[in-house]
Amino acid sequence: DAGVIQSPRHEVTEMGQEVTLRCKPISGHNSLFWYRQTMMRGLELLIYFNNNVPIDDSGMPEDRFSAKMPNASFSTLKIQPSEPRDSAVYFCASSLLGQGSEQYFGPGTRLTVT
Amino acid sequence: GENVEQHPSTLSVQEGDSAVIKCTYSDSASNYFPWYKQELGKRPQLIIDIRSNVGEKKDQRIAVTLNKTAKHFSLHITETQPEDSAVYFCAATDTDKLIFGTGTRLQVFP
Repeated sequence: DAGVIQSPRHEVTEMGQEVTLRCKPISGHNSLFWYRQTMMRGLELLIYFNNNVPIDDSGMPEDRFSAKMPNASFSTLKIQPSEPRDSAVYFCASSLLGQGSEQYFGPGTRLTVT
Repeated sequence: GENVEQHPSTLSVQEGDSAVIKCTYSDSASNYFPWYKQELGKRPQLIIDIRSNVGEKKDQRIAVTLNKTAKHFSLHITETQPEDSAVYFCAATDTDKLIFGTGTRLQVFP
């Protein structure tokens, strides 16, 4: 199994540009989570999907952030327009639906907004 | 909603000593408590978890204890080794949504 796949691994962009992060969950997993990690705020859940349906987006910082999951094998997190304070490592994780299931994290995307 | 506090934020131990990391949670409905280890530059990975119907669970050198009455749980690492150096996160939930603690940076000195 290839595990959770994220792309790109690194992204450097200028303030104001649109950024799209991509995630492919583990085949068969039906829950998908987007996290942001910074030194100041730690590991924050942004949004999660069950069976491709957004369940909780209360962690999305503001309207500049949006996430989609058009099918069971693909999700995107978009930031438009990006700002320097969005610089962070963004992780995608997947699990089997159900409380108490192990979440498998992808390698993360390190985003730098200058 | 759930709130998880984790202490200490940093912990330094000599190789071979034990390390203990403690977490408290606020929501009495929480019934699943995993621990994740994150090495520098890597992704978080599950190392052990415990459910509310169990008070203690062990896996080789690591163990987790849970006190539901006091709403706290702890990670114990015995005979620490340099490769145990990492950031450890506790989490709690009663749904699919994990609420993470702020992390403990463990350094094991040879």
